[in-house]
Amino acid sequence: GENVEQHPSTLSVQEGDSAVIKCTYSDSASNYFPWYKQELGKRPQLIIDIRSNVGEKKDQRIAVTLNKTAKHFSLHITETQPEDSAVYFCADEPGGYQKVTFGTGTKLQVIP
Amino acid sequence: DAGITQSPRHKVTETGTPVTLRCHQTENHRYMYWYRQDPGHGLRLIHYSYGVKDTDKGEVSDGYSVSRSKTEDFLLTLESATSSQTSVYFCAITPDRGREAFFGQGTRLTVV
Repeated sequence: GENVEQHPSTLSVQEGDSAVIKCTYSDSASNYFPWYKQELGKRPQLIIDIRSNVGEKKDQRIAVTLNKTAKHFSLHITETQPEDSAVYFCADEPGGYQKVTFGTGTKLQVIP
Repeated sequence: DAGITQSPRHKVTETGTPVTLRCHQTENHRYMYWYRQDPGHGLRLIHYSYGVKDTDKGEVSDGYSVSRSKTEDFLLTLESATSSQTSVYFCAITPDRGREAFFGQGTRLTVV
C-alpha cells in the first residue's frame, strides 16, 4: 500500500528458527495495525493485531511490536514450523479514513 | 468463516467488454472493500464503501466503478476491461474501523 512499506519481500528460515517481518508507516495518526497470513490459493486471514496504545502483543508463537516514535511495527514468529510458510501482509489504518492499506507482502518459507 | 461470498469465482472475458463482480455478505457489516492482488504489489484498494450508497475511491480506482444499493451487496464493475485488469480480486468486510477484515474467496479474472 502507499502508506506502509514492508520488508523483506522474501524470507527463508530453517524450521525452529525465528522470523521477523518489519513494516513502516507514514501517518502518525494511524492507530490500528493488523497482520494477515495468506496461504497459497487461499484468502488472507488475520493472525494478530495491535493498537497504538499498546507496545507489544503476543499470541503463542507470534508477537507484534509497535514503535510509534519510529513509526514501525514488526511481526515475530518463534519456533517456526513448515505450516508457517505463507505470505504475510501488514496493514495500517490511517487516521481519519475508513480504509485499511496493505504492505506488499512477505513470502515466508520454512525449510524442514 | 464470516458470511461473505464472491461471484463469479473465475471469469475470462475479452478486452473492451464490461464485467461486474459481486460481493455478498450476511454479517450486516458496515464497511466493504474491493482489493486487487498482483505479484509484487500485495493487496491494493480499488474502492470501498462505508454504508449504503456511500462509496469512495482507493489507490487504483481508474477503470473501475462500484455500487452499493443494499447493505449486503457491493458490486465492482470494470467499465471496459483491459489486459492490465487481469488479477485476483478480493472483497473484504469489517463491522467498524479498527476491526478485523474478513475476506471473500477471491475472483480470478482474466482479460484476453
